[in-house]
Order: sequence, then C-alpha cells, then structure tokens
Amino acid sequence: GAVVSQHPSWVICKSGTSVKIECRSLDFQATTMFWYRQFPKQSLMLMATSNEGSKATYEQGVEKDKFLINHASLTLSTLTVTSAHPEDSSFYICSAPGQGAGEQYFGPGTRLTVT
Amino acid sequence: GENVEQHPSTLSVQEGDSAVIKCTYSDSASNYFPWYKQELGKGPQLIIDIRSNVGEKKDQRIAVTLNKTAKHFSLHITETQPEDSAVYFCAASTDFNKFYFGSGTKLNVKP
Repeated sequence: GAVVSQHPSWVICKSGTSVKIECRSLDFQATTMFWYRQFPKQSLMLMATSNEGSKATYEQGVEKDKFLINHASLTLSTLTVTSAHPEDSSFYICSAPGQGAGEQYFGPGTRLTVT
Repeated sequence: GENVEQHPSTLSVQEGDSAVIKCTYSDSASNYFPWYKQELGKGPQLIIDIRSNVGEKKDQRIAVTLNKTAKHFSLHITETQPEDSAVYFCAASTDFNKFYFGSGTKLNVKP
C-alpha cells in the first residue's frame, strides 16, 4: 500500500527557535495533505490542509503565522513551528489521500518537545 | 463544524470477549466514517470504514454499524485477542479527506 513518511520522528528544540517537520508521500503523488496534532492521551485535531502550489487552509483557532505550511511539490509538505514554546510540544501527524474515495494514509508522526 | 464524541474512554475485556465502542457525530452532511487503531508512538492505521449509504460492514472479527438517523456509529470487535490492545479512534468526514476524530478509546484485552 501507499506509504507516507515523516521526518524527523522525534525532535527537541529550545523555546524561541523554529523547527521544520517534513511529510512525504513515498510512492504516490498528493496535491493535498493534512496536518494534525495530538496531545498526550488525546485525539487528533485537524490543523490545516496543505495544498500543492497554493496557500494552506487552516482550521479555526490555528495560528497560521505560527504554523507555517509549505507544499512545495506533489510529494512533500512541510510544517514549520515558528518561535516554539513548551505548549507547542505535541505529536504532529500528516496524512495524504490515496486514489480511492476514503483512502487516507497517515504518517508515523513526529514528536516535538520544546524545552 | 463537525463534533465527534466517543465512548468509552477506556475499555477492559477478557481475551475472547467482545468489545464495543460507540461514536456520535453532529454534522448530518458527514458521509464517511472510518475507524483507526493507533499504537503508542505511531500514526493511526485504518481498520475498517463505512459510508453513509451502508448500515453495516464486517471484516472478519471487526464490524461497524451506522445509524444515520440517530447520527451514531459503532465498532464491534469479537473474539478479542491481546494484540487488539491499542487506542481506537472513530472519525467522520464530509469529503473523504478532512477527518474529525473522536476522543479515542483505550482498549485493554487481558489474556
């Protein structure tokens, strides 16, 4: 089946710095990808829709200037957490749709810890 | 927007017993309802899904039922095994892309 990868799988950064998370569709193209965040023992919350060649669309309450999304190619979307704070520490997961209706492939997630 | 509620938050069953997890949704336009299994430190994995034009779907030990009128759907796992232990999430979608997840159920199958 289709595979979505994320890099890095785990990152620690200091408060005030920025960190970039990559999401790649390995054997298929994705004009759209989705970013979720998941706090410990909580559900996945949809943050934004990443659109290849155009601006991302953000869910209500998500700061677009803090969570910068760039969908530079048909296989790569990046999420940059700018000026990170400890409360941004979370598990970030991306997904990409397959060809069939309902096919959605999730990445393995990236655990971000901000100290 | 869509609001998905999931119950129970934790569920312990004896190996071989059945487990049932229930979800409700608020947006009547939702037409796709997948269920995911998530193991610690990993992304969610699809285990079964159902579309709004179907009332029930079964895949071996796993089944899902949907009641559109009441806006609720349920996951049924029969003959549970220890390897079924994980966190299970329901989700709802109106476009097969953006998913709104329930709060999750931690299933513990005791051997």
